[in-house]
Parts: sequence; structure tokens; C-alpha cells
Amino acid sequence: DQQVKQNSPSLSVQEGRISILNCDYTNSMFDYFLWYKKYPAEGPTFLISISSIKDKNEDGRFTVFLNKSAKHLSLHIVPSQPGDSAVYFCAASRGNTPLVFGKGTRLSVIA
Amino acid sequence: EAGVTQFPSHSVIEKGQTVTLRCDPISGHDNLYWYRRVMGKEIKFLLHFVKESKQDESGMPNNRFLAERTGGTYSTLKVQPAELEDSGVYFCASSQRITGWRETQYFGPGTRLLVL
Repeated sequence: DQQVKQNSPSLSVQEGRISILNCDYTNSMFDYFLWYKKYPAEGPTFLISISSIKDKNEDGRFTVFLNKSAKHLSLHIVPSQPGDSAVYFCAASRGNTPLVFGKGTRLSVIA
Repeated sequence: EAGVTQFPSHSVIEKGQTVTLRCDPISGHDNLYWYRRVMGKEIKFLLHFVKESKQDESGMPNNRFLAERTGGTYSTLKVQPAELEDSGVYFCASSQRITGWRETQYFGPGTRLLVL
């Protein structure tokens, strides 16, 4: 059974607007969450992470929000750029256990 | 600094054949991980090496899969005999410290395996 769910397979956003990618998880023991970005024919690249003791982490245009009560996290990209077009994977872990990934959301930023 | 490299980039084999995938981690990285993504699905953990030792192989699907990391440098993942459901993209990742999962994992480009 999937513990990390990305329910939107794809998302299209206009350049300059905000992109919001969502992720839900079922395991309340997860204490660390990450977003990876993947271009075609490349491996995933780490983007941003957040510990369960925080509810927000920001890095430039990228902000991750964590809502523990709802078991939900989101990645905000603002402003969106065409180079942000990629597949975004949400991942979670508990202590030293393996990373658990979602299925990914394909973001298309339209110029 | 060179990133994680994987060889081959693509492999097409027939059911029942053997395939060996290779991963060269970033120099000095003690942690090495193997993952697999079946088309359209999530990236799934297969196993984790710390240097030459298997730390966690809970994600290995069955005994047709054998991973090694001789000398704590590069790693190989052998599938023997390959089945249709083994098709997918196999990713390798490495990270620097021994303490585990908080260190950033750097992924290779993956090996695309197709079993016919």
C-alpha cells in the first residue's frame, strides 16, 4: 500500500505564476520529507527538504510546507520558470529507514 | 567532481537471460543505494550498502537479484534469470556519511532495462 501519494500526475502553469505540487502521506511516523526534481533521461536531483519539527522551509523560489495534522506537504515554486518543467517526486523517511517515494507529478511551465 | 555514473544506460534482454548493472558512486561516498522505478510508478528502494556491507536489503524483490559492492567502491546489481516484471529504470544513489538518511542522496542517470 502506498505510503506517499502524489495524486496529481500532471500540472500546467503559466510562466511567472505560482506552481503548487501536493503530497499526502499515511505513515505518521515519518519525520523527514524531501522533494526531488527529475528531468528526462536523468536521475532525480535533490531540491529541498523539511524536518517534521518545522512547518516551512524556504530556499530561493522553492518553499515546502508541512501540515502534520493533515499528513500533507506541498512544494511552492514562485515565480515558475520554463526550466522548472520536470517530474517532481515527494519522498519521506522515518529515522534511518529507506526513503519512500511518491509516483511523481509532471510539471509543465508554459512560456 | 564526477557524479554518480551508471552503466549501461540501456539494456534490452530476453526473459531468462542475465543482466548486470554497474554503479560508480561519487568518490568518497560510503553509502550506496539501489532503487527501481517501474514505468509510471513510484521509485522503490531496493538496498543500501555502507562501504562493502549490506546495511538494508529489505527492498530486494526476490533471490533473482544479487547486489555486490566489492572493496566498498563500485557496485553491481545482477538479475538472473530476468523476468518480464523486472523491466524498469534502475537508479543508483550515493551519499557521503555513514549516519544514514539525512544526508543528501545523489542519483545517477539510471539504467533502463527492458525484458522481452
